[in-house]
Amino acid sequence: GNSVTQMEGPVTLSEEAFLTINCTYTATGYPSLFWYVQYPGEGLQLLLKATKADDKGSNKGFEATYRKETTSFHLEKGSVQVSDSAVYFCALSVPGGTSYGKLTFGQGTILTVHP
Amino acid sequence: SQTIHQWPATLVQPVGSPLSLECTVEGTSNPNLYWYRQAAGRGLQLLFYSVGIGQISSEVPQNLSASRPQDRQFILSSKKLLLSDSGFYLCAWSAGQSNQPQHFGDGTRLSIL
Repeated sequence: GNSVTQMEGPVTLSEEAFLTINCTYTATGYPSLFWYVQYPGEGLQLLLKATKADDKGSNKGFEATYRKETTSFHLEKGSVQVSDSAVYFCALSVPGGTSYGKLTFGQGTILTVHP
Repeated sequence: SQTIHQWPATLVQPVGSPLSLECTVEGTSNPNLYWYRQAAGRGLQLLFYSVGIGQISSEVPQNLSASRPQDRQFILSSKKLLLSDSGFYLCAWSAGQSNQPQHFGDGTRLSIL
């Protein structure tokens, strides 16, 4: 079956530090990969996506590269802000068949950024 | 542009009472629709999904049911709530094609007393 594994949290950083949140996956076929962010008390927002190997998704200073050889999609940001404090979810979907766009989520990583 | 609306935002219900949560999508047609529950601010559990009017698939057996009476309307229901039904409920939609991301509503915080 499909699965997504994220690094254990919580992650605590100082403002302007470099962020990496690791994500690895197993999937049948060629999945699309996503990062979602959830701020306290809110729903999930799509942060970035990549649909094929070597694609780089980017948004709001965050980046992630689809690495097929290592089955990874690590999230990075060069300089975090207090406003980046949230829960981050890595997810995949596998095309076709009876997948119906269903997502397989990682367990989420809590990020706290201190001033 | 497409938007998704969920209501109510918060709900406090006694054990044994009925439930109806509503989700509507605007700006698209024939979306895939999903209901999730999230416990303790972390992992999401897919409860139901629908690929068309009247078509509901359940992912886990439970005390809840879902219906899709119109193309862009998705309803989560229960006849008798249990304490274990407490949680944060999220509705989401995606375009019918494969590999499209899901887009989430703002969620409903359900507390059972």
